[in-house]
Amino acid sequence: DGGITQSPKYLFRKEGQNVTLSCEQNLNHDAMYWYRQDPGQGLRLIYYSQIVNDFQKGDIAEGYSVSREKKESFPLTVTSAQKNPTAFYLCASSQDRASGNTIYFGEGSWLTVV
Amino acid sequence: GDSVTQMEGPVTLSEEAFLTINCTYTATGYPSLFWYVQYPGEGLQLLLKATKADDKGSNKGFEATYRKETTSFHLEKGSVQVSDSAVYFCALTSNQAGTALIFGKGTTLSVSS
Repeated sequence: DGGITQSPKYLFRKEGQNVTLSCEQNLNHDAMYWYRQDPGQGLRLIYYSQIVNDFQKGDIAEGYSVSREKKESFPLTVTSAQKNPTAFYLCASSQDRASGNTIYFGEGSWLTVV
Repeated sequence: GDSVTQMEGPVTLSEEAFLTINCTYTATGYPSLFWYVQYPGEGLQLLLKATKADDKGSNKGFEATYRKETTSFHLEKGSVQVSDSAVYFCALTSNQAGTALIFGKGTTLSVSS
């Protein structure tokens, strides 16, 4: 089936640890995105990539890092510099740079700091 | 910068009631506008979209019209069902962030039988 796969679904992190959230898509989409969702705040853009080997910071990039070495993969690392990482993280993709294209979302990953 | 404002929730309705969720936006240029729906514990699904002024998006009985003069994209449904209970997000594509979406804060809809 075509779609966006995020893993793991649930992840627990200890203080001071880096963790990486996986995002893989088999839709042959050029553009990929990471959003963070907190209750009552909607979704906020962390990073986005419109093409392989290129990515841009979104509104809340501090404490996060990404890579885009392959078209189908866009992993997000939550570093120890992110002071409040507990949230729901959503990966998404769209076909190309055209603004009217639909953006498709994965099922999300829950990250909890313990 | 570009932004989206949605009505605060929660919205609580009885089955078969009429639904309106207000959405207004601020943007440079001519953004595309979207409504997404999120069921508990899941990702977002596209509900409908409109890419230019006066376009009407529709899906599953929901409708929204792109009104440039009032910078609005209100979501409506004539008769809601219990299965419509979810969080609804209005969004636009921002010229400031490539093709990424800028979201409103979401409106929770609860429909009772």
